[in-house]
Amino acid sequence: KNQVEQSPQSLIILEGKNCTLQCNYTVSPFSNLRWYKQDTGRGPVSLTIMTFSENTKSNGRYTATLDADTKQSSLHITASQLSDSASYICVVPFGSQGNLIFGKGTKLSVKP
Amino acid sequence: NAGVTQTPKFQVLKTGQSMTLQCAQDMNHNSMYWYRQDPGMGLRLIYYSASEGTTDKGEVPNGYNVSRLNKREFSLRLESAAPSQTSVYFCASSERAHQPQHFGDGTRLSIL
Repeated sequence: KNQVEQSPQSLIILEGKNCTLQCNYTVSPFSNLRWYKQDTGRGPVSLTIMTFSENTKSNGRYTATLDADTKQSSLHITASQLSDSASYICVVPFGSQGNLIFGKGTKLSVKP
Repeated sequence: NAGVTQTPKFQVLKTGQSMTLQCAQDMNHNSMYWYRQDPGMGLRLIYYSASEGTTDKGEVPNGYNVSRLNKREFSLRLESAAPSQTSVYFCASSERAHQPQHFGDGTRLSIL
């Protein structure tokens, strides 16, 4: 069964600290993996897209990694800010239309 | 820079009432999507339109109908609302299938 699982479900960190969010997927065939950020009351916004051949990709303080062999991805946030408080969703497309399978998300709270 | 616009933002209905959720995008995208987001679950695809003039069922289509009015607009209709349809509904669009999706900020729908 095609699935995307994320951990932890929620996370609280202090401002300025780093954190890493995990995503495991069983989608096949695999083409790419996407990380979205969803602020409370808003729609998801794309952070990065990792293709099969990419191992690491950075977007400012966000760094995503992909291991296609173990079907795992991580999102590392460096020097967290209060504005990083949000849900982070791992998404993998499947099928001929590229429809998306969404993980349940990790809810990150950054405290001052 | 409107992107994807959804109306209304909030709505309360009584069981059995009907309603149409509106979505419009100004990015000249070919593909449009309707999702629902429920607590503790990932976003789930209700219906999608790969291109103007076509619509297809997603994962959870029962109780819904859609209309791709033109290239810009994609509406979602609840003919006879049920409490199980209480959710946050997101519309998204992409240049074509398999391309990154851009989301609206959602319609929060409560059915009593």
